[in-house]
Amino acid sequence: DVKVTQSSRYLVKRTGEKVFLECVQDMDHENMFWYRQDPGLGLRLIYFSYDVKMKEKGDIPEGYSVSREKKERFSLILESASTNQTSMYLCASSLQPYNEQFFGPGTRLTVL
Amino acid sequence: SQQGEEDPQALSIQEGENATMNCSYKTSINNLQWYRQNSGRGLVHLILIRSNEREKHSGRLRVTLDTSKKSSSLLITASRAADTASYFCATDDNQAGTALIFGKGTTLSVSS
Repeated sequence: DVKVTQSSRYLVKRTGEKVFLECVQDMDHENMFWYRQDPGLGLRLIYFSYDVKMKEKGDIPEGYSVSREKKERFSLILESASTNQTSMYLCASSLQPYNEQFFGPGTRLTVL
Repeated sequence: SQQGEEDPQALSIQEGENATMNCSYKTSINNLQWYRQNSGRGLVHLILIRSNEREKHSGRLRVTLDTSKKSSSLLITASRAADTASYFCATDDNQAGTALIFGKGTTLSVSS
């Protein structure tokens, strides 16, 4: 079974802090994704990566950056956290871009 | 980005009843997928239907796809309390890139 893990289930940070959200998958998938999920807005794509060191902006990349130094790991970075980045963050991976995506359990981030 | 739109936004039924959710989309697609999300968790893939397929079954799930109307439906037969969750459709977008586009979801509540 594919397993996607995220570093934290719950995280509380202060405004202005640098925040790292880590995602690791164990199935050698090429493609990895970061979404945020907010009530009434559904899932919105922040960034995705189709190969090591490659990244593409999604719908809402502002205020975020990503890093993919190894195939199995995709990190989401909030350079200076703000209260409007309080959200549920979901990581996913897939073998092909349009194939089934496997999701991690999510990180609920609160920025105070 | 273009999104699939699920309908209804919320659905409440009794155990044993059937639940039907609909998804409409705007652009031509290669495939359409349905996902389930239990409260506060990551999404789980349910079923993928390709653009050249009209109907697909998986256990108590039945998915139909009408590409002429750009719509899909997910039928859950003989619902159980454990089916209580949010359900999302996701489409690829031939013209836009290499990531899935998720709708805002239908929240299903099954009471015993």
